[in-house]
Amino acid sequence: KAGVTQTPRYLIKTRGQQVTLSCSPISGHRSVSWYQQTPGQGLQFLFEYFSETQRNKGNFPGRFSGRQFSNSRSEMNVSTLELGDSALYLCASSLAYPDTQYFGPGTRLTVL
Amino acid sequence: EDKVVQSPLSLVVHEGDTVTLNCSYEVTNFRSLLWYKQEKKAPTFLFMLTSSGIEKKSGRLSSILDKKELFSILNITATQTGDSAVYLCAVPHGSSNTGKLIFGQGTTLQVKP
Repeated sequence: KAGVTQTPRYLIKTRGQQVTLSCSPISGHRSVSWYQQTPGQGLQFLFEYFSETQRNKGNFPGRFSGRQFSNSRSEMNVSTLELGDSALYLCASSLAYPDTQYFGPGTRLTVL
Repeated sequence: EDKVVQSPLSLVVHEGDTVTLNCSYEVTNFRSLLWYKQEKKAPTFLFMLTSSGIEKKSGRLSSILDKKELFSILNITATQTGDSAVYLCAVPHGSSNTGKLIFGQGTTLQVKP
């Protein structure tokens, strides 16, 4: 079974731009969660989608948004990028019962 | 507020040593505790623990949960250089049955030859 895939793997953007990251969950998994990982803050929850609905949201500004499609693929968008948005963005998927999450390789975003 | 604290934050050992990593938690409506290993990018799932006192084992790795004292330990015996990684402990957010995991800071393990 293929694992969680994320595209692109690396991104370099400048301040003020926007970015869209994509995540394809493991086949059959309906829950997709997004996390931001930085050296200072560790892994922090961004949001979770289940059956195209946002089920939970972390403490991030409104510049961070996401969506999920009917095939469970998910995208997250960050608008008006700031230097502090530089991070590894990880996507994780799970079956309906959400606890055991399987992570993708992440997208490394660098904001210059 | 749900909280996960790991100790030590970093550890350096030599091949063959046994290590014990600690994870303490405070969460409302505890459901489970998870351990992950992160080498370069993606955290890799190791164990999910739900019941006290039942050890989970996978090769040289084992883990146990104490729900009374609110902690878990991850043991690695006969360490190898390939065990060098960040080990993460996480609990699901307690007040909602959704996929929000609260992570500890991680323990960085370095195994020297």
